[in-house]
Amino acid sequence: AQKVTQAQTEISVVEKEDVTLDCVYETRDTTYYLFWYKQPPSGELVFLIRRNSFDEQNEISGRYSWNFQKSTSSFNFTITASQVVDSAVYFCALSGFGQGGKLIFGQGTELSVKP
Amino acid sequence: GAVVSQHPSWVICKSGTSVKIECRSLDFQATTMFWYRQFPKQSLMLMATSNEGSKATYEQGVEKDKFLINHASLTLSTLTVTSAHPEDSSFYICSARHYRHYNEQFFGPGTRLTVL
Repeated sequence: AQKVTQAQTEISVVEKEDVTLDCVYETRDTTYYLFWYKQPPSGELVFLIRRNSFDEQNEISGRYSWNFQKSTSSFNFTITASQVVDSAVYFCALSGFGQGGKLIFGQGTELSVKP
Repeated sequence: GAVVSQHPSWVICKSGTSVKIECRSLDFQATTMFWYRQFPKQSLMLMATSNEGSKATYEQGVEKDKFLINHASLTLSTLTVTSAHPEDSSFYICSARHYRHYNEQFFGPGTRLTVL
């Protein structure tokens, strides 16, 4: 069975703080894809990143960075110098190869960045 | 590119009526579309997978007679909530998989359904 766990339900930080959102996944597939999405109050999902299971390189995109560790089945997301506009719900998701593209979402982490 | 639209963006209806939600891929062909449901403060739950020209595949626990899905073309899938009841009130989100990018889904903006 596939599963994604985001243990942090809510996180509140003050602007300019760094924050890390945790994501732990379970899968028996050797080939799989991991995603992060942002869902602002408007509700529309915003794609942030996709990683395949064979690429463990960390990625940085501006203030965003991702740490993928297969050894611990984790795909954590860090926002550096957080801003109020980062306030949203963030979802980690998993798609197994051969699963027809189905996405399994974690429970989501609601990030609140206060000025 | 890779834009997905949903119509309507929100709808309020009376209990017992049926509501149709459209999901369109505007600038690409989508052989597969997915329908998700999201209750407030909860995650997205996959309801069904819709493949063009064939019957939809429903996830366990989703009533196929309640949630009718039609994927009539490579750019349009519809979800009809039949005989809607207040417990069907939710945020419905579709996504479309580009026919060339197997592992990437593009999400629509969602439809908020309120059943009175």
